[in-house]
Amino acid sequence: QVQLVESGGGVVQPGRSLRLSCAASGSTFSNYAIHWVRQSPGKGLEWVALISYDGSNKHYGDSVKGRFTISRDNSKNTLSLQMNSLRGDDTAVYYCATDLGPGGGSTLYYWGQGTLVTVSS
Amino acid sequence: QSVLTQPPSASGAPGQRVTISCSGSSSNIGDNTVNWYQQLPGSAPKLLIYRNNQRPSGVPDRFSGAKSGTSASLAISGLQSEDEATYYCATWDVSLNGPTFGGGTKLTVL
Repeated sequence: QVQLVESGGGVVQPGRSLRLSCAASGSTFSNYAIHWVRQSPGKGLEWVALISYDGSNKHYGDSVKGRFTISRDNSKNTLSLQMNSLRGDDTAVYYCATDLGPGGGSTLYYWGQGTLVTVSS
Repeated sequence: QSVLTQPPSASGAPGQRVTISCSGSSSNIGDNTVNWYQQLPGSAPKLLIYRNNQRPSGVPDRFSGAKSGTSASLAISGLQSEDEATYYCATWDVSLNGPTFGGGTKLTVL
């Protein structure tokens, strides 16, 4: 079992930056790839970013590529998402989720409860 | 616009069987396994089916998944009121180089 707790959400102005964190406890955090997935109000799920178990491989969705950076610190069991040049359409609940395997795929096994990011002036 | 197509809604009476479809292409479903997620109102998504037809521990066997070619389906038998939720299919997309989700199907238990 893995427990995930996101933090760092809030209200931010367009063009500004925000950093989200995801703290993991339970099973061995460093064995799994981890994702960020977001959900805009009333909308469906959108994959944001993925980092492999050791941080060597990172993938990003087209809508955030070049603006967001995913990273992890396995010594602290934490995952981060640095979000720059924020826009209104980045407003969403952001979830972190562990993959079933080390490299990453589409099997998001454990999910956090999410943290809300609102981009507004 | 999702690359995986799901019907926006589905419904059924308690005890009935409901099937939700997910249509993709050779760059996603055709070449990868499919997962299904259940999102209850106000909650985070939960993995319901993985690798086309596998159930995580704790998921009732009323839920089953199947895949054929570039399409997949989720079946729920013995429908219960607590099954009222939004269901998402997901798979890896080679063109996107990442996972992709369907638009979601909101299931109503009549």
